[in-house]
Amino acid sequence: GAVVSQHPSRVICKSGTSVKIECRSLDFQATTMFWYRQFPKQSLMLMATSNEGSKATYEQGVEKDKFLINHASLTLSTLTVTSAHPEDSSFYICSASGGSVNYGYTFGSGTRLTVV
Amino acid sequence: GENVEQHPSTLSVQEGDSAVIKCTYSDSASNYFPWYKQELGKRPQLIIDIRSNVGEKKDQRIAVTLNKTAKHFSLHITETQPEDSAVYFCAAASGNTGKLIFGQGTTLQVKP
Repeated sequence: GAVVSQHPSRVICKSGTSVKIECRSLDFQATTMFWYRQFPKQSLMLMATSNEGSKATYEQGVEKDKFLINHASLTLSTLTVTSAHPEDSSFYICSASGGSVNYGYTFGSGTRLTVV
Repeated sequence: GENVEQHPSTLSVQEGDSAVIKCTYSDSASNYFPWYKQELGKRPQLIIDIRSNVGEKKDQRIAVTLNKTAKHFSLHITETQPEDSAVYFCAAASGNTGKLIFGQGTTLQVKP
């Protein structure tokens, strides 16, 4: 079946630094990738949608200059949290799709970010 | 944009009883409705899904129903077991944008 790999699984960084999270589709071409953020005991909130080779589309309230998304190939999307602050601490998870709802959605394993 | 409402937020049942979780959506263009089970710190696991051209789908103890007119869909778990205890999320995806929007989640507790 479709497999999505996400790294790192856990990261602790100092306030003011940047962190990069990678999301790779291992056995299919992910024309579309979605990035979600999940705070404790809350739902998954969609942050942005990225299509290979084009700029990401951000959801309302998500700062595009703070959460940089790059989807340079059909198998890799990255999310960079720039100038991280403690309030950015959360569970970040990606989801990849073949570009149509007919392909379903495959989730990465998630990244637990802690900013100290 | 799409908005998905999920109820109840918590549900406690006795082992062997049935559990029902309901969701409503707002975007008439949504055409794919998956249900996920998520354990603490893990990725959501797809347990069942339904597309807009189908009214009901069943997989052993789990079933999903969809009412397109009313824009609501429900998850039914029969003969619940303690290992069914988890957080369940409904979601809806638009055929136009492909965005998958989640409901608020339901914490299901199955008491032995």
